[in-house]
Parts: sequence; structure tokens; C-alpha cells
Amino acid sequence: AQKVTQAQTEISVVEKEDVTLDCVYETRDTTYYLFWYKQPPSGELVFLIRRNSFDEQNEISGRYSWNFQKSTSSFNFTITASQVVDSAVYFCALSDPDSSNTGKLIFGQGTTLQVKP
Amino acid sequence: ETGVTQSPTHLIKTRGQQVTLRCSSQSGHNTVSWYQQALGQGPQFIFQYYREEENGRGNFPPRFSGLQFPNYSSELNVNALELDDSALYLCASTTAGQGFTGYTFGSGTRLTVV
Repeated sequence: AQKVTQAQTEISVVEKEDVTLDCVYETRDTTYYLFWYKQPPSGELVFLIRRNSFDEQNEISGRYSWNFQKSTSSFNFTITASQVVDSAVYFCALSDPDSSNTGKLIFGQGTTLQVKP
Repeated sequence: ETGVTQSPTHLIKTRGQQVTLRCSSQSGHNTVSWYQQALGQGPQFIFQYYREEENGRGNFPPRFSGLQFPNYSSELNVNALELDDSALYLCASTTAGQGFTGYTFGSGTRLTVV
């Protein structure tokens, strides 16, 4: 069965600190996609990144970076120099390979990040 | 380019009633999925629609049903509402059959069953 685990329920940091959100996944498939989404209080899920299972290259986008390691089935997300606007719930998700072109995602429980000024 | 829009934003229903939630897909998207997000939980996949037919379903009972229209908009219907149906219902759209383009989510409908 496929599963996504975000062990950190809540994280609180002070502005400008770096913070890493952990994501561990389980799947028997060799082809899959991994995602990170941000959910602000308004409710919508904001897409941050998609990574396919064949691309283990780490990615950096501004203050955001992602570390994908298939050997440990992890896809961790780091925010450098955090800001108050980064406060939100962050979800890691895994796609069912049969539905990679459609809408089925398996989400973790989410990590609530609070960035204090 | 418009995103995914959902209506209504909030809804209060009584146990046993029926409810219809609506979703307009992002322009150019032909596939719609629905998710239920209980408070403090991650979204759970309900079902997806492509070409006006259901082509994938999560672990939800038949009283959860849906429709997709020729313009790719969609409805989620829930019959015989139960208290546990109280949740944020999210709609997501994407494009199937043309290569992966990612999923765009709406802001959701918050349903409260009393």
C-alpha cells in the first residue's frame, strides 16, 4: 500500500531561521511522483514542486529547496531564512502511477509551520 | 488563466440531508478530482472524473457521487449526510492525455453537518 508520513505535526521557528520539513513515503511502484503543497489559512492547496521517481537531483527555488533520496524514501523540504508569510500547513503527497495524469494523490497528515516575527 | 473555483465557500446542513458542491475547472483542464479534508488531516481522495465518467474512486461509500459536465465543471453530491461528513471539500483539476501538467486546487467548500 502507498503511504506518506510527515512525522512533524507542528514546527515553530523564529523569522530568518532555516527549517526542514520531513516526508517519508512508501510505495512498491518504481514510477511515481512526489509533491509538496502549501495550505494557507484560506484553504486552497498551493503547488510548490513535483518530482518524478527517476529524478533524484535536488532542486532549489529561491528560499525553498528539496532533497529527494530514494534510498531512504524521503523527500524533505527546507525553507531558508524563513519569513512570517511562510506560516501555513505543508503537505507532502505521492501519486498513484496509474493516475499520474489525473487527480489521485495520497497526502501525508501535514506539518503546521509557524514562523514568529 | 482562471484557476479552480468552488461554490459555495461555506455550507451548514442537517444530518440526513443532501448537499451539492460545485467546481469549475481551470481553463484547459479536462480532469476533475474531489478530496475530503477533515480538520487537522490531509486530504483524502474521493473520486476523479474524466470525459464525464468516473475513472477512479477512493474509499468512500456510494452516497458520495459526482458529475462532470461537457465544459469540464463538476459537482459532488452527498446523500444522507452524517456528522462525520463535516470537512473541507477540495476540487482539483488537471489535464489528462496530454502529458502531466500538475494539479490545481480550489479553495474548497467547508461543509458543517449538525
